[in-house]
Amino acid sequence: DAGITQSPRYKITETGRQVTLMCHQTWSHSYMFWYRQDLGHGLRLIYYSAAADITDKGEVPDGYVVSRSKTENFPLTLESATRSQTSVYFCASRGTGGVYEQYFGPGTRLTVT
Amino acid sequence: AQKVTQAQTEISVVEKEDVTLDCVYETRDTTYYLFWYKQPPSGELVFLIRRNSFDEQNEISGRYSWNFQKSTSSFNFTITASQVVDSAVYFCALRGSYNQGGKLIFGQGTELSVKP
Repeated sequence: DAGITQSPRYKITETGRQVTLMCHQTWSHSYMFWYRQDLGHGLRLIYYSAAADITDKGEVPDGYVVSRSKTENFPLTLESATRSQTSVYFCASRGTGGVYEQYFGPGTRLTVT
Repeated sequence: AQKVTQAQTEISVVEKEDVTLDCVYETRDTTYYLFWYKQPPSGELVFLIRRNSFDEQNEISGRYSWNFQKSTSSFNFTITASQVVDSAVYFCALRGSYNQGGKLIFGQGTELSVKP
């Protein structure tokens, strides 16, 4: 089915481990985003990408790394997970040419113990 | 600075009541876009509507309606004859400047509970 998917949907990991969250979209959207959702903070932008091989930092990028070698994929890596990175992570995408709304994936609930 | 404020943290109504969710925004941009998203208990974020700053017409979609008023920087969302399936967290969002890919700036969300 077309759309935007994330995997895994749930992940428990230990402090200090590297974790990669996957995001895949089938719309060929140029823009992709990673947000984290935390109580009291709403959704905050971690990184975004305007196209393959073009990425940039958002509001809260520290501790995260992204890459985008293909238009459809936008993985987010926590290089050394910390408890403060326990959160729900949402990937989103949008098109260009006057399309401004972003469409979100189902989210990944990450717990760092 | 750009900001979205949803002052109502939680609202509880009984089915068939009308309910209005408030959203107040701040921006210096002359052109901007406002959005509403729904997050049901299952957790996904569902796009509901986009409104452009140059179009102040109110919009109605079934039981949903949106009132955009630039004079008060508000973009309120009304559900008429609420139903249990409307129970969710609702987010108002503002599209920022061209920096950061046009990121969305979200309010804190309003949790709506519709009781039978």
